[in-house]
Amino acid sequence: QVQLVQSGAEVKKPGASVRISCKASGYTFSIYYMHWVRQAPGQGLEWMGIIKPSGGSTNYAQRFQGRVTMTGDTSTSTVYMELSSLRSEDTAMYYCARGPYCSGGSCPDYWGQGTLVTVSS
Amino acid sequence: QSVLTQPPSASGTPGQRVTISCSGGGSNIGSNTVNWFQQLPGTAPKLLIYSNNQRPSGVPDRFSGSRSGTSASLAISGLQSEDEADFYCAAWDDSLSGYVFGTGTRVTVL
Repeated sequence: QVQLVQSGAEVKKPGASVRISCKASGYTFSIYYMHWVRQAPGQGLEWMGIIKPSGGSTNYAQRFQGRVTMTGDTSTSTVYMELSSLRSEDTAMYYCARGPYCSGGSCPDYWGQGTLVTVSS
Repeated sequence: QSVLTQPPSASGTPGQRVTISCSGGGSNIGSNTVNWFQQLPGTAPKLLIYSNNQRPSGVPDRFSGSRSGTSASLAISGLQSEDEADFYCAAWDDSLSGYVFGTGTRVTVL
């Protein structure tokens, strides 16, 4: 069965960077995209970007461009999301989600369990 | 800020039918298929409806989706207590070249 297992919770100081991993299993890793989505406490879902692990092509939401980097390692079926210059507003639950092709581009189906990132001085 | 607009809340008694609307534009719902996600308290979102009206394996047929023009809707018939959750519509947006989510609707079972 498809599983996405994310790394554990992180506590970071403002200005620092955080790197979250998402290890996939149960499907052919190379043929799917991977999305990253975040959810601030009590708020809705916010799409951050997408990566095609085979080839490494990425597409980031405009508001994160310059601060986010998504990478993939096909040898370990793992994708990574790094967010830099953290501020308190980046405190959120971060999710990875598998992305099959859909109309227009790619749409998430299976989701990881989430990684809580807390930014606090 | 979300590109797709949903009502913040909806409610019903057990057994009732509840409908949630999702309003978008020509570059998202008007051009591409709509997905719906259910997020139970404290858990990750779960795909509920894909390609406007398709249910993944295991999703009860009480849940149904539709799309017309630049709007979509999710219907829950025979509402049950375990349906209390947040629901999000979503679609690919050609103008943004990215995925967009709705504002989310909290469903309460009275």
